[in-house]
Amino acid sequence: DGGITQSPKYLFRKEGQNVTLSCEQNLNHDAMYWYRQDPGQGLRLIYYSQIVNDFQKGDIAEGYSVSREKKESFPLTVTSAQKNPTAFYLCASSWKGAEQYFGPGTRLTVT
Amino acid sequence: GENVEQHPSTLSVQEGDSAVIKCTYSDSASNYFPWYKQELGKGPQLIIDIRSNVGEKKDQRIAVTLNKTAKHFSLHITETQPEDSAVYFCAASAYSGYALNFGKGTSLLVTP
Repeated sequence: DGGITQSPKYLFRKEGQNVTLSCEQNLNHDAMYWYRQDPGQGLRLIYYSQIVNDFQKGDIAEGYSVSREKKESFPLTVTSAQKNPTAFYLCASSWKGAEQYFGPGTRLTVT
Repeated sequence: GENVEQHPSTLSVQEGDSAVIKCTYSDSASNYFPWYKQELGKGPQLIIDIRSNVGEKKDQRIAVTLNKTAKHFSLHITETQPEDSAVYFCAASAYSGYALNFGKGTSLLVTP
């Protein structure tokens, strides 16, 4: 069963704690992306990676960190420095120069 | 950077009617324009895309048109069905495979 998986679907954390969101793909895609979605808003790019061990900041990278140690995995850490972390987080992947496909998302709630 | 504007923010149509959603972009270097459908609580699903060397593309009841001169592109859904109800997003990129810049979405409601 191929595709992009994100876990968990729902995540709850206390303010001040770091939290890591998982994204795995078995599509052999080169590139992976993290977007954030807030109610009534479009998707905004947090980080993306075109190749293993390399990644670039997107429009709203402050308060987030990523790693790309394996082609199939691109975890996102939401740090305590992120002022408004409650949101719906979406991971996507693509071959170079091809369409992006999204995972099912993780809804993070920080109280 | 690229700025993508999408209109309308909400759209309600009767089943069987057509629906049109319009987007404009600012960066003349953009050459890839996908459309995504998002159902409640799920990730966006790619439904159609167009590249700047093409003016129109169709896939059954869905079509996308692109006017490079005016920097706008539109999604057309014909013979709408209740299952078309969802939020639709347009996006633009200078290169498919690079990060996308999204519009804010259109909530489409198709009533029986």
